[in-house]
Amino acid sequence: AQSVTQPDIHITVSEGASLELRCNYSYGATPYLFWYVQSPGQGLQLLLKYFSGDTLVQGIKGFEAEFKRSQSSFNLRKPSVHWSDAAEYFCAVVGLEAGNMLTFGGGTRLMVKP
Amino acid sequence: DSGVTQTPKHLITATGQRVTLRCSPRSGDLSVYWYQQSLDQGLQFLIQYYNGEERAKGNILERFSAQQFPDLHSELNLSSLELGDSALYFCASSLRPGTDTQYFGPGTRLTVL
Repeated sequence: AQSVTQPDIHITVSEGASLELRCNYSYGATPYLFWYVQSPGQGLQLLLKYFSGDTLVQGIKGFEAEFKRSQSSFNLRKPSVHWSDAAEYFCAVVGLEAGNMLTFGGGTRLMVKP
Repeated sequence: DSGVTQTPKHLITATGQRVTLRCSPRSGDLSVYWYQQSLDQGLQFLIQYYNGEERAKGNILERFSAQQFPDLHSELNLSSLELGDSALYFCASSLRPGTDTQYFGPGTRLTVL
């Protein structure tokens, strides 16, 4: 069965600083990977996704993520964080043989210091 | 705005009661998914429908059931509610099952007192 681990439950960064959120997955075949963001009181918004091809994927709001098969990782990055980026971030994997449902990590809550 | 709508936004009810949550997928999407988000369990897949047929089940309790109607909207029915059912329930939709991106609605927050 697939699983996703987000090792950092909380992260605090200063506004303007760079950001990297970690995601490790466990899946037997080629993974389809996603990052979603959830702002307080809101639903989940897709930031970016990786299916195949270029291992560095660009998303919305200036985010990017890099797929590293050798490390089973799909870390999310942003070069300069804005106060509006404070939210909870979820990494997820789709398992095709498991009904195509998303399996989510536990989430990382990002706080941004002024 | 994802294009997925969910009603109601908030629901407060008592233990033992039954509630129905409603979801309208994005225009053109045939597949609907239900997820539960709680503090102790995180985000968990409940059930998936595709074009009216149940496609996959996750960690859905027997007290819960769902269906997708011919107009593709979906309802999640929760019965014999317990305190532990208090959670945020999300609906998502995609064009087809598989790797198509799932777009999430704003959720229904259920509080069981």
